[in-house]
Amino acid sequence: AQKITQTQPGMFVQEKEAVTLDCTYDTSDPSYGLFWYKQPSSGEMIFLIYQGSYDQQNATEGRYSLNFQKARKSANLVISASQLGDSAMYFCAMRLSGGYNKLIFGAGTRLAVHP
Amino acid sequence: DAGVIQSPRHEVTEMGQEVTLRCKPISGHNSLFWYRQTMMRGLELLIYFNNNVPIDDSGMPEDRFSAKMPNASFSTLKIQPSEPRDSAVYFCASSADISSYEQYFGPGTRLTVT
Repeated sequence: AQKITQTQPGMFVQEKEAVTLDCTYDTSDPSYGLFWYKQPSSGEMIFLIYQGSYDQQNATEGRYSLNFQKARKSANLVISASQLGDSAMYFCAMRLSGGYNKLIFGAGTRLAVHP
Repeated sequence: DAGVIQSPRHEVTEMGQEVTLRCKPISGHNSLFWYRQTMMRGLELLIYFNNNVPIDDSGMPEDRFSAKMPNASFSTLKIQPSEPRDSAVYFCASSADISSYEQYFGPGTRLTVT
């Protein structure tokens, strides 16, 4: 069965420090995509970063990077130089197979950045 | 671009009433998705459309829920009759086409059924 697991309900980090949010996934399909979304307290879902299963390099977008370890089926999000505005819920998601852009989401991790 | 537009942003209704949620996808996007977010179940895909055609509605919880996309710029999610357990945030998202990986989410509609 295809599944996304985020084992950290909550995390905190000091401002300007780096933080890693964990995500593991389960799929038997050779082709899939992994995503991270941010949901601030205002409620909207903001796309952060994407990693394809065949991508050779880890994805990066500004202060966000995705630590993709295919053999371990993990896709951890690393946020460098945390800012107060990074405080939010973070969701890991996987695109299901079949060519359709259908996502399943993990339960989320609430990140608190402390000054 | 205005982004995905949803209305209303908040809806409070009584059990048994009909509720209609509206979504306008990003212009030019061909795929549209409806999600529901609750504390208990997290984010769940309810239904998605490609080129106005429903592709997969297996996430629709029951017959009380229905969704339509009469044209490329408008979709509705209807609940009739509504029940307290339907209280949730409902998101609409769109993507350029069915193979595009990035989905752009609307601000959501917070539904409360009393």
